Amino acid sequence: QSALTQPASVSGSPGQSITISCTGTSSDVGGYNYVSWYQQHPGKAPKLMIFDVSKRPSGVSNRFSGSKSGNTASLTISGLQAEDEADYYCSSYTSSSTFEVFGGGTKLTVL
Amino acid sequence: EVQLVDSGGGLVQPGGSLRLSCAASGFTFSSYWMHWVRQAPGKGLVWVSRINSDGSSTSYADSVKGRFTISRDNAKNTLYLQMNSLRAEDTAVYYCARGRLWFGENDYWGQGTLVTVSS
Repeated sequence: QSALTQPASVSGSPGQSITISCTGTSSDVGGYNYVSWYQQHPGKAPKLMIFDVSKRPSGVSNRFSGSKSGNTASLTISGLQAEDEADYYCSSYTSSSTFEVFGGGTKLTVL
Repeated sequence: EVQLVDSGGGLVQPGGSLRLSCAASGFTFSSYWMHWVRQAPGKGLVWVSRINSDGSSTSYADSVKGRFTISRDNAKNTLYLQMNSLRAEDTAVYYCARGRLWFGENDYWGQGTLVTVSS
């Protein structure tokens, strides 16, 4: 099972909006509404930011939003803040035997 | 407050064994599927194993099948990962995580424990 495809890095200035893409196939991202996004700061555990494509857990800022079109899911962060600088990983349910697959991760730099 | 505390990592020689533990608190442990996810140094997240709420169903990534065993003790609110025949490529930080759904969408994670396989 190949990992979902994410850009290695994205960057933006404070206050701007950025979008991170996560491309899979019809066997994972495109076939199910079970895409989630995690934020990971250096040396820390991942934190769930988005689940079921576009839902936010309690306590997650509404600056974070998720969407999906076809085989590509997206995480958008609006009003970029310095604290948003982190690695971001997508994951999806998959029809393969592992049932869950992660993306390779995207490093977000706030300029 | 939900808490997951990972422990048991360390330095082990190739071919050796290690048992990781994950102590859970702040929620009804016996109601949730639990997962192990690992992250090699400088690399991304990779699912390793999952176990259902009563321990009767388990699954593994192909890379660890036959070498790793996941288990749980609901009386002690603890998740385990027994790792045998360890290889250099198993070197990683291992995280336990609570599955929001049976297959994943992990809503709480432990702090991770580092396993280093080296001679």
